[in-house]
Amino acid sequence: ETGVTQSPTHLIKTRGQQVTLRCSSQSGHNTVSWYQQALGQGPQFIFQYYREEENGRGNFPPRFSGLQFPNYSSELNVNALELDDSALYLCASSLAVAPETQYFGPGTRLLVL
Amino acid sequence: GESVGLHLPTLSVQEGDNSIINCAYSNSASDYFIWYKQESGKGPQFIIDIRSNMDKRQGQRVTVLLNKTVKHLSLQIAATQPGDSAVYFCAEIHYNQGGKLIFGQGTELSVKP
Repeated sequence: ETGVTQSPTHLIKTRGQQVTLRCSSQSGHNTVSWYQQALGQGPQFIFQYYREEENGRGNFPPRFSGLQFPNYSSELNVNALELDDSALYLCASSLAVAPETQYFGPGTRLLVL
Repeated sequence: GESVGLHLPTLSVQEGDNSIINCAYSNSASDYFIWYKQESGKGPQFIIDIRSNMDKRQGQRVTVLLNKTVKHLSLQIAATQPGDSAVYFCAEIHYNQGGKLIFGQGTELSVKP
């Protein structure tokens, strides 16, 4: 186990709703990255947070937003949910100076109906 | 665009045989490469990594080979076991892009007893 936890494990929403996903970092890690993994695909980078600020963003619209808290835990918020947002959402924690050591949580499976 | 691709989507091997999973990448400026194993319902798990200035790295039963001339990466698993059955992803990191991971689509390894 990596020490990275995510909640909830599964979630069902309807189009247009909003969702908040949570991630607790591995102890000592100060950076959190979020990834979206569609079925049968590799994870796609959404954004990264370091020192409570966004530190890089992938090709995702502004309705995907995030937060990082002083204890390095993080939230991913998605507004105006679309059917294509159905995916496994993964968070990974790391040290900013060692991005190659990203440890992944188990993910949150989101289904948008 | 950014891409790390895989040659084969599925690979079936006999228990005890060696497995080779291949990956092609497009960005010659990548600094680091990582192989991840993802079992059903879990997040990606780190297997082995290699820096761009290396050609080969060995771990326990796994070896990663990097051929920068043809931008090719491979993962070799010795004496494949049923517990090795999973989806395997290669990923690359560009340090000047904040350390985000760029994943390929994955290869599903199935080990027959």
